Amino acid sequence: AQSVTQLGSHVSVSEGALVLLRCNYSSSVPPYLFWYVQYPNQGLQLLLKYTTGATLVKGINGFEAEFKKSETSFHLTKPSAHMSDAAEYFCAVSGAVFSGGYNKLIFGAGTRLAVHP
Amino acid sequence: EAGVAQSPRYKIIEKRQSVAFWCNPISGHATLYWYQQILGQGPKLLIQFQNNGVVDDSQLPKDRFSAERLKGVDSTLKIQPAKLEDSAVYLCASSSRVGYTFGSGTRLTVV
Repeated sequence: AQSVTQLGSHVSVSEGALVLLRCNYSSSVPPYLFWYVQYPNQGLQLLLKYTTGATLVKGINGFEAEFKKSETSFHLTKPSAHMSDAAEYFCAVSGAVFSGGYNKLIFGAGTRLAVHP
Repeated sequence: EAGVAQSPRYKIIEKRQSVAFWCNPISGHATLYWYQQILGQGPKLLIQFQNNGVVDDSQLPKDRFSAERLKGVDSTLKIQPAKLEDSAVYLCASSSRVGYTFGSGTRLTVV
């Protein structure tokens, strides 16, 4: 079984400050881990994903995340927040890719990021 | 490449009415998913298809929800009869070995 816990339903930062969104997962198989961003009234956009290999993953818009197996964590960071980063962020876990595609994604409850001037 | 297409974009119905949503995945993607996203929550898988076969429908409320993917391409999700708690965004996604893509979703309001 797989599950995701996102610590903090709301995070508020100042523009230019470090963004840290926390994600812990549980998985009985080697996990594939994802971060998605959702802007109001829009669909889910992939920020980055970890499948295998390098544990520090770089994504779009300056975001990155590090897979830490010992801590079962996949926290999302960005060195300097921008006003346009304000959105809902979802961490998700999946099992391995199979011949037809990816296994289902299990999502966390989400973290709403607010960026103030 | 074209994205995952969903329609309608918005739908308002009264409780006990029926509603259907349509999804056209990315060409060549064998796996298609329907997710339900209730306001303030993360998306929850309702059903997963591979080609036209069901892989996982364990979370689908089968007394009122049904889904089909007859030719292994586009898919429809139906709710009959709708309840107030079905108000949510219904997201369709498809995947191949390369990646996973979501549509923009259908926002359903049941009044």
